[in-house]
Amino acid sequence: GIQVEQSPPDLILQEGANSTLRCNFSDSVNNLQWFHQNPWGQLINLFYIPSGTKQNGRLSATTVATERYSLLYISSSQTTDSGVYFCAVEPISGGYNKLIFGAGTRLAVHP
Amino acid sequence: ETGVTQTPRHLVMGMTNKKSLKCEQHLGHNAMYWYKQSAKKPLELMFVYNFKEQTENNSVPSRFSPECPNSSHLFLHLHTLQPEDSALYLCASRRTSGGYEQYFGPGTRLTVT
Repeated sequence: GIQVEQSPPDLILQEGANSTLRCNFSDSVNNLQWFHQNPWGQLINLFYIPSGTKQNGRLSATTVATERYSLLYISSSQTTDSGVYFCAVEPISGGYNKLIFGAGTRLAVHP
Repeated sequence: ETGVTQTPRHLVMGMTNKKSLKCEQHLGHNAMYWYKQSAKKPLELMFVYNFKEQTENNSVPSRFSPECPNSSHLFLHLHTLQPEDSALYLCASRRTSGGYEQYFGPGTRLTVT
């Protein structure tokens, strides 16, 4: 099946710093989403981005489908950005209608 | 608030108990999912339902029994669980036909004693 790898696994930032999270996937996908899991376990939708670039406030994401990777940019980080960031993909073959998750990047933003 | 609700939010049960988790979505979606998230592990897909029909069971032990009476409701019936089943159980929903965003409920944190 498809492999989804996220890097780095852990990241520590000072408030105000910028960061880039990466998601590599091993096969073609229909769908790619980025989620933020808060300390209470809720998964919050950040981006639905099977290809191209999107921006939402301090966050932006780019997916290059032909090269099988996606990047999540966090600018001017805040303590409320802390948590785990997941990339999830829907494979074109062998995985229709379901999302496969990476292991996540655990982010801690310190004041 | 994502439009997907789960109850209860926390559950403690003994190994001989029977309990049920409930999920409801108010988004008009036709597919619903159960995921399990154990400590320090990635999300594991357990079951997929599409238009009330189960389309995937990822080798989940029979002590977990899903039920989907309609496209808006999903249950997970639990019986004779083991301590290693303690985890966060997440429900999700989406429209299918490819290319639609999936939304998650807040989860039920289950502890088996």
